[in-house]
Amino acid sequence: EAQVTQNPRYLITVTGKKLTVTCSQNMNHEYMSWYRQDPGLGLRQIYYSMNVEVTDKGDVPEGYKVSRKEKRNFPLILESPSPNQTSLYFCASSLSSGDTQYFGPGTRLTVL
Amino acid sequence: SQQGEEDPQALSIQEGENATMNCSYKTSINNLQWYRQNSGRGLVHLILIRSNEREKHSGRLRVTLDTSKKSSSLLITASRAADTASYFCATDVQGAQKLVFGQGTRLTINP
Repeated sequence: EAQVTQNPRYLITVTGKKLTVTCSQNMNHEYMSWYRQDPGLGLRQIYYSMNVEVTDKGDVPEGYKVSRKEKRNFPLILESPSPNQTSLYFCASSLSSGDTQYFGPGTRLTVL
Repeated sequence: SQQGEEDPQALSIQEGENATMNCSYKTSINNLQWYRQNSGRGLVHLILIRSNEREKHSGRLRVTLDTSKKSSSLLITASRAADTASYFCATDVQGAQKLVFGQGTRLTINP
């Protein structure tokens, strides 16, 4: 089954404790992206990757890192999480930047 | 302001009625897409309409695109309670390497 998986689905952590949210897709898509969704602010792009070893900042990259060492995986790293990073995070993949995006189920992160 | 802005922000109708949502954008696009999101879940792609197309259908969905007005509409006919969700438009902006999402329309279908 074609899908995008994210782990964990829910996470409660404390300020400053490094964490990684994994994202994996099995559709051989070149383009992958991370979004955060907050009430009243819609979906905002954090980082995206056009292909392996090619990543770039989205609209709200501060406080986040990503890597794309393999085509299928695109982890999101929060080196020192802060409460303002409490949000619902989505990973998505597509053949290219303008194509249909396939979304993961989301990761609800709470930073205390 | 947002590249894609949906209108209305919220819509509540009776089951069986038609629901219409609108999306306006500011710059030239390659395509415009509509997505659906059930509460707290991942977005699901509904339909993609290219800049050289004016109308597209998929089941009970009808999407129109007017590039001269920089606007699109999503019509859901014969609505069902299961259509209750948030609906987002997303634009593939020319020259950008991303989709830009609007803030969505929250649709509630009352049984």
